[in-house]
Amino acid sequence: GIQVEQSPPDLILQEGANSTLRCNFSDSVNNLQWFHQNPWGQLINLFYIPSGTKQNGRLSATTVATERYSLLYISSSQTTDSGVYFCAVDPTLYGNNRLAFGKGNQVVVIP
Amino acid sequence: DGGITQSPKYLFRKEGQNVTLSCEQNLNHDAMYWYRQDPGQGLRLIYYSQIVNDFQKGDIAEGYSVSREKKESFPLTVTSAQKNPTAFYLCASSHSKNTIYFGEGSWLTVV
Repeated sequence: GIQVEQSPPDLILQEGANSTLRCNFSDSVNNLQWFHQNPWGQLINLFYIPSGTKQNGRLSATTVATERYSLLYISSSQTTDSGVYFCAVDPTLYGNNRLAFGKGNQVVVIP
Repeated sequence: DGGITQSPKYLFRKEGQNVTLSCEQNLNHDAMYWYRQDPGQGLRLIYYSQIVNDFQKGDIAEGYSVSREKKESFPLTVTSAQKNPTAFYLCASSHSKNTIYFGEGSWLTVV
């Protein structure tokens, strides 16, 4: 099946710093989504981004589908940004939103 | 409120018992999904359903069963055949090929 690799696996940030998370995938996809999982386990959808660039407040994401990667940017990080960020892709082979997840980027923002 | 409701939040199961996790959504979504998450890991797909009275196996369906008798409900049964059921279980829903939304999850522990 499709491989989804996220880097770095762990990241510690000083509050106010910027960071970039990367997601590489091994095959063509119909769509790509970024999620944030808070310490209580709740998964929140951040971006639905099969290609191009989107921004939402201090977060932005870029997907280059032809090169099979996506980037999530966190600017001016806050302690509430802590948690695990997941990249998930819907392989073209399936095409029914059957998402395959990476193992996540564990982010800790310290005051 | 609109959303996805999972219950119970915490569940303890004895060896050899079947347990059922509830998932209800009032978002009028066609598709529903069950994922399993183990510590430090990404999510793995157990079962998914794109329409009432139809469902398909995901990547780790062995030891699990589901039903989709109503559009808003997609219960998951963890059977005694599942050898390592202790995990965090997440239900999700979406309009097909669109953003996926998750419930708050259910923690299952075998005692």
